[in-house]
Amino acid sequence: AQSVTQLGSHVSVSEGALVLLRCNYSSSVPPYLFWYVQYPNQGLQLLLKYTSAATLVKGINGFEAEFKKSETSFHLTKPSAHMSDAAEYFCAVSNSGNTPLVFGKGTRLSVIA
Amino acid sequence: EPEVTQTPSHQVTQMGQEVILRCVPISNHLYFYWYRQILGQKVEFLVSFYNNEISEKSEIFDDQFSVERPDGSNFTLKIRSTKLEDSAMYFCASRTREGSTDTQYFGPGTRLTVL
Repeated sequence: AQSVTQLGSHVSVSEGALVLLRCNYSSSVPPYLFWYVQYPNQGLQLLLKYTSAATLVKGINGFEAEFKKSETSFHLTKPSAHMSDAAEYFCAVSNSGNTPLVFGKGTRLSVIA
Repeated sequence: EPEVTQTPSHQVTQMGQEVILRCVPISNHLYFYWYRQILGQKVEFLVSFYNNEISEKSEIFDDQFSVERPDGSNFTLKIRSTKLEDSAMYFCASRTREGSTDTQYFGPGTRLTVL
């Protein structure tokens, strides 16, 4: 069975500071990994995805994530936080695009001016 | 940009009542999903639907739940007799069949409150 653990239900950073949201996964097969973002009163929007190509994945809004098989991690980073990045971030894993996503609990990112 | 829509945004119902949550997937998409998120918990898979039938379902998706694609645009989730523990945010998602790496696109969710 697959699972995702997101360390930290709430992360707070200053505007302009590095954003690091942690995600560790468990999977018995090569995983597909995703980061979704949810802004208030909106749906889940895909930030980026890893599907066995390059291990460093670049997404929208300046975010990127690195797949590290040895650490079973897929942490999300952004060099400089903006106020508009404040949202809930979800990491998810699946066997392929055909199978259901297994989500982590989410991390709420707050950006302080 | 095409998007998945869901109605209503918030539904309040009495325990034991039937509810129908509605979703309009992106028009050229062929796979449809329902997920839910109980407050403070993970987003959980309920069911996937393809070619007018359920392709996969979770343990949560018991006989109280059903899905339907009544026409070419809507995808519905029915809960026959709601329980307090059905209170959650319900997300609909859809994707194309362009390959195994394709993305699931999510709607904004329906918040269901069972009293």
